[in-house]
Amino acid sequence: DVKVTQSSRYLVKRTGEKVFLECVQDMDHENMFWYRQDPGLGLRLIYFSYDVKMKEKGDIPEGYSVSREKKERFSLILESASTNQTSMYLCASSGPGIGTGSEQYFGPGTRLTVT
Amino acid sequence: GESVGLHLPTLSVQEGDNSIINCAYSNSASDYFIWYKQESGKGPQFIIDIRSNMDKRQGQRVTVLLNKTVKHLSLQIAATQPGDSAVYFCAEKYEKLTFGTGTRLTIIP
Repeated sequence: DVKVTQSSRYLVKRTGEKVFLECVQDMDHENMFWYRQDPGLGLRLIYFSYDVKMKEKGDIPEGYSVSREKKERFSLILESASTNQTSMYLCASSGPGIGTGSEQYFGPGTRLTVT
Repeated sequence: GESVGLHLPTLSVQEGDNSIINCAYSNSASDYFIWYKQESGKGPQFIIDIRSNMDKRQGQRVTVLLNKTVKHLSLQIAATQPGDSAVYFCAEKYEKLTFGTGTRLTIIP
């Protein structure tokens, strides 16, 4: 079974702090994604990566950056956390093929609260 | 607690009955569709998918129907069980995946 893990389930940070969210997948998937999930808005794509050191902006990249130094690991960085970044963050991975199509496997999510 | 789905449509179904969850998608050029299940406190889990060249696909206790004429997707769950309680949402793909907001399914014992 595909396993996608995220470093934290719950995180509380202060406004202005730098925040790192880590995601690891064990299926040698090329594609990895970061979403945020907010009530009534569904999943919104922040960034995705289709290869090591490659990244593409999603629909809402502002205020975020990402890093993919190894194939299995995709990090989401909030350079200066703000209260409007309080959300559930979900990481996903998928197999071959560039882009965001095909079945994606999700991690359990990180609920981030910025105070 | 989990705040996903505070403003979601809800569907309540008697245990043992069949459930039908609907999804209207937006892009007539979408060529691939997925249904996900998200239980409280967990990430979305793949249930079933269907390509646009099909109108029906069956899995274990689940069936997805695709009506491209009206851009409508439905998920049918047979003999609903307590473990089926979750938020269900569809995703459509045209160049990228776009996710719906979901429906909360509640099972009445």
